[in-house]
Amino acid sequence: AQSVTQLGSHVSVSEGALVLLRCNYSSSVPPYLFWYVQYPNQGLQLLLKYTSAATLVKGINGFEAEFKKSETSFHLTKPSAHMSDAAEYFCAVTKDTGRRALTFGSGTRLQVQP
Amino acid sequence: DARVTQTPRHKVTEMGQEVTMRCQPILGHNTVFWYRQTMMQGLELLAYFRNRAPLDDSGMPKDRFSAEMPDATLATLKIQPSEPRDSAVYFCASGLVLSRGRGNTEAFFGQGTRLTVV
Repeated sequence: AQSVTQLGSHVSVSEGALVLLRCNYSSSVPPYLFWYVQYPNQGLQLLLKYTSAATLVKGINGFEAEFKKSETSFHLTKPSAHMSDAAEYFCAVTKDTGRRALTFGSGTRLQVQP
Repeated sequence: DARVTQTPRHKVTEMGQEVTMRCQPILGHNTVFWYRQTMMQGLELLAYFRNRAPLDDSGMPKDRFSAEMPDATLATLKIQPSEPRDSAVYFCASGLVLSRGRGNTEAFFGQGTRLTVV
C-alpha cells in the first residue's frame, strides 16, 4: 500500500521568502508522486508530478519538487513566496500499475505574510 | 477549455433525504474518481470507474452510497438516506489511463459539491 505524510499542517512564510512544504512517501513499488494545490472553495489543481523521469520536477507558478529515493521524500519548494501562493497543498501518491487512484496526504495550509 | 463539471455546487438537505451528485468528466477521459473531503479525514477515495465499469468502491459505505456511470459523459453519486455525518465536499475527478501507460494523464478535479445534511 502507498501512503504519504505531510509534515506540518500549517506553514507560514513572509512574502519573498523560500517556501518548503514537506512530503514523505511510503510505497512498495516505484511511485508516481504529485503535488496539488487547492484554493478556497475550489477543486484541486495539479502543480507538478513525478513519473520516474527526471528527479527534479518543475511545475506551474514557479514551484518545483525533487524526488529523493534515499530519503523517500518529495518536498515542494519555491524560491520566493507570493501572496497568491496562499492555499492548501496536497501531496499524493499512486503506484505504477495503471490503477491511478491517488492516495492523498493530509494537506499543508500555506500562509504568506506581507 | 476542458474541465470536469460537477452539479450542484452546493446542496443542503434534511437527514433522511436522497441526495444525487452529478459529474461530467472531460471528454475522452476513461477514468472517473469520486473523493470526499472533510476536515477530520481529509481526502478519501470513495470509488472509481474505468470505461464506465466500477474498479474499486471499497471506500464507500455500501448501505447508503451508490455510484454509477449511466454513460461516458455522466457519473452519479447517490446517498440514500443521507445523514449529518455525510456533510462534506464531494469531488469528482477524471483522467485518461491507457493500457500501455503511454499517454496517461493525471486526475483533473471538478470544483466539488458541498453537501450539508441537517
